[in-house]
Amino acid sequence: QVTLKESGPALVKPTQTLTLTCTFSGFSLTTDGMRMTWIRQPPGKALEWLARIDWDDDKFYSPSLKTRLTISKDTSKNQVVLRMTNMDPADTATYYCARRKPSARLADYYFDYWGQGILVTVSS
Amino acid sequence: DIQMTQSPSTLSASVGDRVTITCRASESIRSWLAWYQQKPGKAPKLLIYKASTLESGVPSRFSGSGSGTDFTLTISSLQPDDFATYHCQQYGSNPYTFGQGTKLEIK
Repeated sequence: QVTLKESGPALVKPTQTLTLTCTFSGFSLTTDGMRMTWIRQPPGKALEWLARIDWDDDKFYSPSLKTRLTISKDTSKNQVVLRMTNMDPADTATYYCARRKPSARLADYYFDYWGQGILVTVSS
Repeated sequence: DIQMTQSPSTLSASVGDRVTITCRASESIRSWLAWYQQKPGKAPKLLIYKASTLESGVPSRFSGSGSGTDFTLTISSLQPDDFATYHCQQYGSNPYTFGQGTKLEIK
């Protein structure tokens, strides 16, 4: 059974660094083709793709946020971590981690399992 | 970045209705499009990928079509459980972008 769960602070102050952890089970990020992703959704707004990390440790970031984001993985703990620096009230959102649905075509990139999400509020 | 535009933003319909939601890409994404359903306070759920392939376990009343820049999600006969927000997502190129969502409301 595949599960994902995000953890981290619910409240951060402007300019602080946010660290979120996604702990998953039911699969391994060492499996060829496996990819994990962070996506966020500001209240009442659209989903926004943030970052991706692959089984081979390749990493990709949203161009608009690239300078502020770092994604990493700890395969021994089945965890993926997202760091976002210089937080701003505009970063207030629910942050989700999600798993790429395994597919023979490596370029396929849609998400079959999601965490429940964690609401992060940025306020002083 | 490829922009994804959904229409309408809100749709009011009744149980039993046939509804169609449209997603338009700012440039061709061939068939690299997915649809998700999201209920309040919940994570999105994958419905369709590759524009028209139904995810396992998704009812057959859901269908997707389109290629290039224009795509549709159709629900053939609305059920009470279908009232939710629907999102399209392109995976034709990085960054992977979503539409703004279509909220399906009970009329």
